[in-house]
Amino acid sequence: ETGVTQTPRHLVMGMTNKKSLKCEQHLGHNAMYWYKQSAKKPLELMFVYNFKEQTENNSVPSRFSPECPNSSHLFLHLHTLQPEDSALYLCASGTGLADTQYFGPGTRLTVL
Amino acid sequence: DAKTTQPPSMDCAEGRAANLPCNHSTISGNEYVYWYRQIHSQGPQYIIHGLKNNETNEMASLIITEDRKSSTLILPHATLRDTAVYYCIVPPPGGTSYGKLTFGQGTILTVHP
Repeated sequence: ETGVTQTPRHLVMGMTNKKSLKCEQHLGHNAMYWYKQSAKKPLELMFVYNFKEQTENNSVPSRFSPECPNSSHLFLHLHTLQPEDSALYLCASGTGLADTQYFGPGTRLTVL
Repeated sequence: DAKTTQPPSMDCAEGRAANLPCNHSTISGNEYVYWYRQIHSQGPQYIIHGLKNNETNEMASLIITEDRKSSTLILPHATLRDTAVYYCIVPPPGGTSYGKLTFGQGTILTVHP
């Protein structure tokens, strides 16, 4: 498999649930990113990881908890989310030395 | 970041060239211009980037004016599959700022049969 993959593609969860989004990249990149895209809003950068170290947290609420166990995998752990957190969550990877990023297909999250 | 300004929407006939403009009048000398696009409900796709010379790849051409204050993305023969939101982005230059892409509203390009 090539490129950037994300699972699940769709997720419906209640506000008291705990779930995780998974991202995997097969491009040999060292940097990985989480973005959020709410309806009719621009993409917002959430987190940046370089060589497994978090280098950016764009004032994201603590109910979103990222994890990067290695350069190929990135998780976003979700707990006690709000309905306004419903959005398309996109993962991307890059070399970390340029601004060319490769995006996954996204996870469409609905919080009830 | 250098702010970019793009028209909210454009139309193009299939088979014709689509020319998408972007203004970035506050760009500094070492800042690149990047273009991405996002087809409905998919992740964004990198298209092309440049510093001051014109660039071409298999997807598009990028024309940057001599003063670097504006650029044009050219899709030489637009197809229906090119219907998407096109984003012009000028990221902060290098160092620890790599990868901090700021997506604006972009230009919605609609290609008509």
